[in-house]
Amino acid sequence: KQEVTQIPAALSVPEGENLVLNCSFTDSAIYNLQWFRQDPGKGLTSLLLIQSSQREQTSGRLNASLDKSSGRSTLYIAASQPGDSATYLCAVTGTASKLTFGTGTRLQVTL
Amino acid sequence: EAGVAQSPRYKIIEKRQSVAFWCNPISGHATLYWYQQILGQGPKLLIQFQNNGVVDDSQLPKDRFSAERLKGVDSTLKIQPAKLEDSAVYLCASSLEGAGDRDEQYFGPGTRLTVT
Repeated sequence: KQEVTQIPAALSVPEGENLVLNCSFTDSAIYNLQWFRQDPGKGLTSLLLIQSSQREQTSGRLNASLDKSSGRSTLYIAASQPGDSATYLCAVTGTASKLTFGTGTRLQVTL
Repeated sequence: EAGVAQSPRYKIIEKRQSVAFWCNPISGHATLYWYQQILGQGPKLLIQFQNNGVVDDSQLPKDRFSAERLKGVDSTLKIQPAKLEDSAVYLCASSLEGAGDRDEQYFGPGTRLTVT
């Protein structure tokens, strides 16, 4: 059974700092890995999708890496802003396109 | 392109009552998913449809939960009777094919259910 763990559970940083969120998964037989953002009371917004054959994906200030063999992914956020405050969820796609989510990292960017 | 639509956004019911949620996926998406997200946890898949057929309902509590996707488009999720532990956000998602390493799921805003 696939298990996804995210560390840390919560993080508070001052505006402008670069930060890294971590995700690990137990079964390396995945099709892809997605990072999502969830604002309070809202649904999930997909940030980045990394296919199993890829090592990283970039979108603006976000960079996600994937090391499938070791079961790890990181989400790097450059020059953080208060608008980045949200919960960030990592999810892996296994057989039959089933997504397994981590419990998320709650990020607070302070002024 | 319109996103995934869900209604209602919020619902408060008493235990043992019934409730139904509605989802309209992105046009042309063959695969539809219902997730349950309990406060402080990641979403958990309840049921996955491919067109109007069920692909995976292994984590759906079938004694009280039911779902259908008539005509392979809209879907409804029903809980009858509700229990306190059903309080959660119910998320609907859709994807184009439901397979392959580039298949991306798009989520609706969710329905927040409170059972008192």
